Order: sequence, then structure tokens, then C-alpha cells
Amino acid sequence: QVQLHESGPGVVKPSETLSLTCSVSGDSTDSGFYWGWIRQPPGKGLEWIGDIYHSGSTNYNPSLRSRITISIDTSKNQFSLKLSSVTAADTAVYYCAKVVPSAKYFQYWGQGTLVTVSS
Amino acid sequence: ESVLTQSPGTLSLSPGERATLSCRASHSVRSTYLAWYQQRPGQAPRLLIYGASTRATGIPDRFTGSGSGTDFTLTISRLEPEDFAVYYCQMYGSSPPVTFGGGTKVEIK
Repeated sequence: QVQLHESGPGVVKPSETLSLTCSVSGDSTDSGFYWGWIRQPPGKGLEWIGDIYHSGSTNYNPSLRSRITISIDTSKNQFSLKLSSVTAADTAVYYCAKVVPSAKYFQYWGQGTLVTVSS
Repeated sequence: ESVLTQSPGTLSLSPGERATLSCRASHSVRSTYLAWYQQRPGQAPRLLIYGASTRATGIPDRFTGSGSGTDFTLTISRLEPEDFAVYYCQMYGSSPPVTFGGGTKVEIK
């Protein structure tokens, strides 16, 4: 059974960089799927952040592109998100997910981790 | 820019009733690229339907997806207590590549 688990700091200071890691079990990040990040501000809807293929090829949300870096470490079966220059608007639950490449739907999700931007 | 509009925002129904949720796209969408998710309170979203009409593994047959072009529908034939949740549609497009609708909350009347 595929499982994904997000980890990282729960609080980040304004202007700093948010860093999260997603650990995958029950599947390989070296398989023919993309691995993605989605976020959800408290009480609001879902926002796609971006995704990455095992080759390192990435796709980013244009509205966040200048601040995002997504990377992958297939040897550790993990992928990561960095979001720079955070503000209170970046406070959200961050989810990682397994992405079916042909149609870009999210087949499996992590349980999510709340990141609060606060000084 | 691709936009998905879901309606209604909230649907108040009783257990056993039929729920009909709408998802309208700003541009025509290949059916292959339309998915639906369920999100229960405090939980991550769960894939329900992909390819507009194919149920994901383990999804009961009371959930049915339909539609084409710009208009898609998720129907829950008879609401069970665990079906009261928020439902999102999602598309794969061009700009941005992935878009979610704003969600429909199905609440107990």
C-alpha cells in the first residue's frame, strides 16, 4: 500500500524559507509517476503547488514559480519542497501526493502538515 | 487561465437523498483530465473519480461521475452518513497545468 508522509517545521518566520520533505513507502519515486505538492489555507480550498518526475523534470504553479523549488532524492525515496520569502498568506496545510502522469490526478495523498508563518 | 466553478457552494440534504454536484470549466476539458475528490473534516482529500467517470479503487458504486466538454457532474445516489464532506473537482490543463474547483460542501440538513 502506498503511503506518503510529510515532515518539516510547523512554524516558519516571515521572509524565511519553508522546507518540507515527503517520504514515500510502498512505492518507488523512481517509478513512472510524478510526485506533487498541494496546499490548503485554513478553511479554504486546494491549491496546486507543483510536481516532479524521477528524472528531476518539474512543473510549477505560475503564481508561485519564482519562489518554489521541488527536488527529488530517489535513493532515499523522498521528494522535497522549498518555498522562499514566505508571508502569512503561505500559512496552510501542505500535502504531498502521487500523481498519475497521463492525466495529472492525485492518486494517493499524505495526511498533510500544517505550516504556520509567524514571527 | 483555466478556471473550474463548482456549484452549489453548499448542499443541504438528508441521509438517503440523492446529491448532484456540478463542475463547470472555463474551457473545454478532455474527459480524461477531469477528477473528483472527497475531503472529510480533518482529513486529506481522497480520489473518488478520474477520467470524469471511472471510480477509483474501493469507491462505492453510489458515486457516479459524468459529463464532457465544459460541464461535469458528480452524483451520489443515496447519501450515507460518511458522505457528508467537501467535494472538489480538478482538471489537467495548460495554464496552470493543474486547477482545482472551489469545492461543494455536502452537509446534513
